[in-house]
Amino acid sequence: LAKTTQPISMDSYEGQEVNITCSHNNIATNDYITWYQQFPSQGPRFIIQGYKTKVTNEVASLFIPADRKSSTLSLPRVSLSDTAVYYCLVGGMNTGFQKLVFGTGTRLLVSP
Amino acid sequence: GAVVSQHPSRVICKSGTSVKIECRSLDFQATTMFWYRQFPKQSLMLMATSNEGSKATYEQGVEKDKFLINHASLTLSTLTVTSAHPEDSSFYICSATREPGNTIYFGEGSWLTVV
Repeated sequence: LAKTTQPISMDSYEGQEVNITCSHNNIATNDYITWYQQFPSQGPRFIIQGYKTKVTNEVASLFIPADRKSSTLSLPRVSLSDTAVYYCLVGGMNTGFQKLVFGTGTRLLVSP
Repeated sequence: GAVVSQHPSRVICKSGTSVKIECRSLDFQATTMFWYRQFPKQSLMLMATSNEGSKATYEQGVEKDKFLINHASLTLSTLTVTSAHPEDSSFYICSATREPGNTIYFGEGSWLTVV
């Protein structure tokens, strides 16, 4: 299972765009990249998933360069309620995708 | 709404007793579920893989006789903490994969406090 590295923490202000980068140098060909958000005393919540290039949904965008050794989660115009821990995970079905191994995550603090 | 539900959300038990936590997939079948443990301000730690109809697979360092996992149906996995001790106090979370799409959903988590 590919190991991921993220910044331990980030600070931002309301209304700003936040980009969280994750390194996954050992990503395998069949691995997908998935980001989760976790609030205190809650289970992780799925944010976005991608394989290559760019993926966008109603809450975030995910940018993946051609070599796929890193990925960037982009949160547009964050609000106070986006204060949470964000986890980047990689895995593929034939490498035990369901068996997610969590890294340290990035603790995002959004201030007024 | 939640697609994976855990019960109870909070439980307090006395040292030496056993406590069971349930994980249910609400509107889909899950042949495999996973159990995690999370201590305050730490990341999730995978404990075991729960396989429907067969024995669970435990991660290194997790005592299988202490953390009993039963996956008796395609929608229910249970984690029983036996002979609980205060150091077992933690946040326990389960996950299941919903197909098609292979999206993984997590339960709301269960706080266990052993006194």
